[in-house]
Amino acid sequence: EDQVTQSPEALRLQEGESSSLNCSYTVSGLRGLFWYRQDPGKGPEFLFTLYSAGEEKEKERLKATLTKKESFLHITAPKPEDSATYLCAVSESSASKIIFGSGTRLSIRP
Amino acid sequence: KAGVTQTPRYLIKTRGQQVTLSCSPISGHRSVSWYQQTPGQGLQFLFEYFSETQRNKGNFPGRFSGRQFSNSRSEMNVSTLELGDSALYLCASSWGQAETQYFGPGTRLLVL
Repeated sequence: EDQVTQSPEALRLQEGESSSLNCSYTVSGLRGLFWYRQDPGKGPEFLFTLYSAGEEKEKERLKATLTKKESFLHITAPKPEDSATYLCAVSESSASKIIFGSGTRLSIRP
Repeated sequence: KAGVTQTPRYLIKTRGQQVTLSCSPISGHRSVSWYQQTPGQGLQFLFEYFSETQRNKGNFPGRFSGRQFSNSRSEMNVSTLELGDSALYLCASSWGQAETQYFGPGTRLLVL
């Protein structure tokens, strides 16, 4: 069964303390892996799409990487405004749907 | 380019009533997906429409239905509302099926 697992469920960091969020997936063939940021009560905001192992994308303090079985979202020197839930999702090459993980709640203390 | 829009943004209904939510996708996008999100829960997939046809359906009762129009705008309907239907309903559009999705702001539904 296709699955997407995100860890940790919650992460509390001090401002400036870099860390990584993990997204592991089991699909027979990856079509695309997506990262989103969601603030409370709002719709998810698109961050990145990764298509193949070895691919990396960056945006401000965020960097997403992809291997054959997992993706990491690296946060460098985070600020309090980076506090949000980060969602990972995958689409499988033979299917026509997207599967979301349950998210990581990130909290950055000033 | 305008983003995904959803109307209404907030809605209060009572048990047993029905509700219709609307979603206008990004111009040129032909796929619209609907999700339910309850407090502390992840995104629960409801259904996806592509070129006016339902292509995928999640594990929700038949009280949840939807449709897509020729201009790609989509509506979802929930009949015989239950307290547990209180949630944030999100619409996402993409150029094609299972492509990068862009989300609207959501409709917050409260069932009393």
